[in-house]
Amino acid sequence: KNQVEQSPQSLIILEGKNCTLQCNYTVSPFSNLRWYKQDTGRGPVSLTIMTFSENTKSNGRYTATLDADTKQSSLHITASQLSDSASYICVVSAGGDSGTYKYIFGTGTRLKVLA
Amino acid sequence: NAGVTQTPKFRILKIGQSMTLQCTQDMNHNYMYWYRQDPGMGLKLIYYSVGAGITDKGEVPNGYNVSRSTTEDFPLRLELAAPSQTSVYFCASSPRTTGELFFGEGSRLTVL
Repeated sequence: KNQVEQSPQSLIILEGKNCTLQCNYTVSPFSNLRWYKQDTGRGPVSLTIMTFSENTKSNGRYTATLDADTKQSSLHITASQLSDSASYICVVSAGGDSGTYKYIFGTGTRLKVLA
Repeated sequence: NAGVTQTPKFRILKIGQSMTLQCTQDMNHNYMYWYRQDPGMGLKLIYYSVGAGITDKGEVPNGYNVSRSTTEDFPLRLELAAPSQTSVYFCASSPRTTGELFFGEGSRLTVL
């Protein structure tokens, strides 16, 4: 069964500190992996996309990694800001003729950044 | 561009009532999706469409219906609302089958 698991469920850090969010997946065949940021009361917005051949990709203070062998991804946030407080959702896309559920969603990590 | 627009943002329904959640996108995307998001759960796919005139069921279609008469619009119909349909509903679109999802702002529905 295709699954995406994220850890931790929630995280509280002080402004200016770094943090790393984890995503483990069992999705086959793998197409790509995206991290989305969801602010409270808003829809998710894509931060990064990782394809099979990519190990690391940065978007400002956000750096995503992908280890296709261990089926793990991480999202590292550097020098956190209050505006980083949000839920971060890992979404894995299934490739090929994998039927209806092309997008498999994790349950998200809720990040709270304190001043 | 407005992107994906959903209405209404909030609605309270009584058990047994019906309503339609509206969704429109101006990005000319063929793929459109309806998800529901419950606390502590990942987004669940209700219905999706790969183009005008084509719709199909997702994981949790019971109690819902959709139509796709144009590329832009993908309304979700709730018939005979039940408390189990209390949730936040998101409409999304994508330019291709595994492409980036563009979400609307969500519609929070409460059934009492």
